Amino acid sequence: KAGVTQTPRYLIKTRGQQVTLSCSPISGHRSVSWYQQTPGQGLQFLFEYFSETQRNKGNFPGRFSGRQFSNSRSEMNVSTLELGDSALYLCASSSGTVMNSPLHFGNGTRLTVT
Amino acid sequence: AQTVTQSQPEMSVQEAETVTLSCTYDTSESDYYLFWYKQPPSRQMILVIRQEAYKQQNATENRFSVNFQKAAKSFSLKISDSQLGDAAMYFCAYVRGETSGSRLTFGEGTQLTVNP
Repeated sequence: KAGVTQTPRYLIKTRGQQVTLSCSPISGHRSVSWYQQTPGQGLQFLFEYFSETQRNKGNFPGRFSGRQFSNSRSEMNVSTLELGDSALYLCASSSGTVMNSPLHFGNGTRLTVT
Repeated sequence: AQTVTQSQPEMSVQEAETVTLSCTYDTSESDYYLFWYKQPPSRQMILVIRQEAYKQQNATENRFSVNFQKAAKSFSLKISDSQLGDAAMYFCAYVRGETSGSRLTFGEGTQLTVNP
């Protein structure tokens, strides 16, 4: 079974631009969550989608948004990029909740904002 | 708000020896779960072990075991017979009960080096 796939692996953008990151979960998984990882703030939860509905949301500004499609694939969008948005963005999928189904993470997308 | 603290930014161990990574957390909830994840240079987070708060018995997965002290809000990871492949960043994580879905709170991480 294929794992969680994130594309692209690396991305370089300029301040003020917008960016879209993609995540394909493990087949059959309906939950997709996103995390931001930076050296200063560590790993922080962005949001989670389950069956195309946002189930949880972290404390990030409205510039960060996401969506999930009927095939469970998810996209994350960041508008008006700032230098501080440079980070590793990790996507994870599970079949239900993390209590009864472990999270499976992708290899992440490394975003650099210049 | 729940917080997770890992007080050891770096740890090292000799191959075949045992090492313990520390984690403390703060919560007022009674229903929660705790996890240890490892992140090797490939960047992929891998689940090492999980513990349900309502279970008194410490979880064990092969060479990995935890010491869960609920009253002290402590959740340490013991790695026995350390192997070179165990070298990675280790994160302790917490999630509140069922309603939190996959919203994990992570600690700062402990970088583990395994010396041959």
